[in-house]
Amino acid sequence: AQSVTQLDSQVPVFEEAPVELRCNYSSSVSVYLFWYVQYPNQGLQLLLKYLSGSTLVKGINGFEAEFNKSQTSFHLRKPSVHISDTAEYFCAVSRGTSYGKLTFGQGTILTVHP
Amino acid sequence: NAGVTQTPKFQVLKTGQSMTLQCAQDMNHEYMSWYRQDPGMGLRLIHYSVGAGITDQGEVPNGYNVSRSTTEDFPLRLLSAAPSQTSVYFCASRSASGDKETQYFGPGTRLLVL
Repeated sequence: AQSVTQLDSQVPVFEEAPVELRCNYSSSVSVYLFWYVQYPNQGLQLLLKYLSGSTLVKGINGFEAEFNKSQTSFHLRKPSVHISDTAEYFCAVSRGTSYGKLTFGQGTILTVHP
Repeated sequence: NAGVTQTPKFQVLKTGQSMTLQCAQDMNHEYMSWYRQDPGMGLRLIHYSVGAGITDQGEVPNGYNVSRSTTEDFPLRLLSAAPSQTSVYFCASRSASGDKETQYFGPGTRLLVL
């Protein structure tokens, strides 16, 4: 079985500052890694995913994440945030043969202040 | 394409009542799943299906039933609602081929059990 830990439940940041949302996972087998974003009262939208290949993955809205196998981490970063990035962010993992079943972290609420 | 649709958006039930949460997708996806979202716990898998006529349990299946008679529809049934089932429920779908690792989420159903 796999598990996901998001190390910060809330991250406040000022507009135009950089941000990093941390995610660690544990699994006995290779996994696929994802970051989803949930804006208030909406469903989940895929930001980016790591399946294989380059460990630096670029997603939508200027976000990127780096897969670090030795540290079992998949931290999400953005060099300059906007007010519109205020949302809850979820890290998730799945196994390649799991029929798309996702295991989610607890979520990190990112609040961007003017 | 409408993507993944869910009805109703909101529902209030009394303890012991039953209801069905509807989920439909028009992308011809083979895999469909139900998740519940609770504060501080991320999303947890309730049930999933890999095709019409095939369903299986996820992490938190107790108190819920599912069936999959068509590719498009995947309803979730609460047989006897309990306050512990107060949550936000998300349906998701995914293709078994092509872009296999992108899941599409519906907008959610917010359920309150009194």
